[in-house]
Amino acid sequence: GEDVEQSLFLSVREGDSSVINCTYTDSSSTYLYWYKQEPGAGLQLLTYIFSNMDMKQDQRLTVLLNKKDKHLSLRIADTQTGDSAIYFCAESLNAGNMLTFGGGTRLMVKP
Amino acid sequence: EPEVTQTPSHQVTQMGQEVILRCVPISNHLYFYWYRQILGQKVEFLVSFYNNEISEKSEIFDDQFSVERPDGSNFTLKIRSTKLEDSAMYFCASRLRQSSYEQYFGPGTRLTVT
Repeated sequence: GEDVEQSLFLSVREGDSSVINCTYTDSSSTYLYWYKQEPGAGLQLLTYIFSNMDMKQDQRLTVLLNKKDKHLSLRIADTQTGDSAIYFCAESLNAGNMLTFGGGTRLMVKP
Repeated sequence: EPEVTQTPSHQVTQMGQEVILRCVPISNHLYFYWYRQILGQKVEFLVSFYNNEISEKSEIFDDQFSVERPDGSNFTLKIRSTKLEDSAMYFCASRLRQSSYEQYFGPGTRLTVT
């Protein structure tokens, strides 16, 4: 079945860039997502990318997709303490289909 | 801003008891989902629901589980006879229409089975 993997933890200093990586196994994945979870809150969609794209930029967020290697990354520029959260990578075959999540990467931003 | 709400935030129940987790999706949304996350594990899909029918379900969603939209606002997940391994955070999500990509998630209900 589909599998999505992420590293567990990332620590950066405020103002630096953060890069969170994700790998997936299903080459049929059409939609790839990044969700953010703050303590006590639900999963908030940050951004998504279609499998026919290589890159998507949205303000401080840049998503890179390497379809050949099945590798997805999320770059957060000028990371702030408010960016501290758990970031989940997810994939689905079609819009609205079930999401398959990675285990989440805990981002800690030090002042 | 409209949001998905879930009640209760924490539910403690004894093994073998029935439990109902409640969700109020965003009001004009048409597609509804339940996911769960066992502590230390990944968020897993349970079931999707549209037009008063289950659209898709995972292997986890066996006969012990059921979903219902009893009125125009609530979406419930029932576990008939809870097991210790049902202890998890349960997330409800909703989506606006077929062409929408975003599933909006609620804050979750932590279910503890003792």
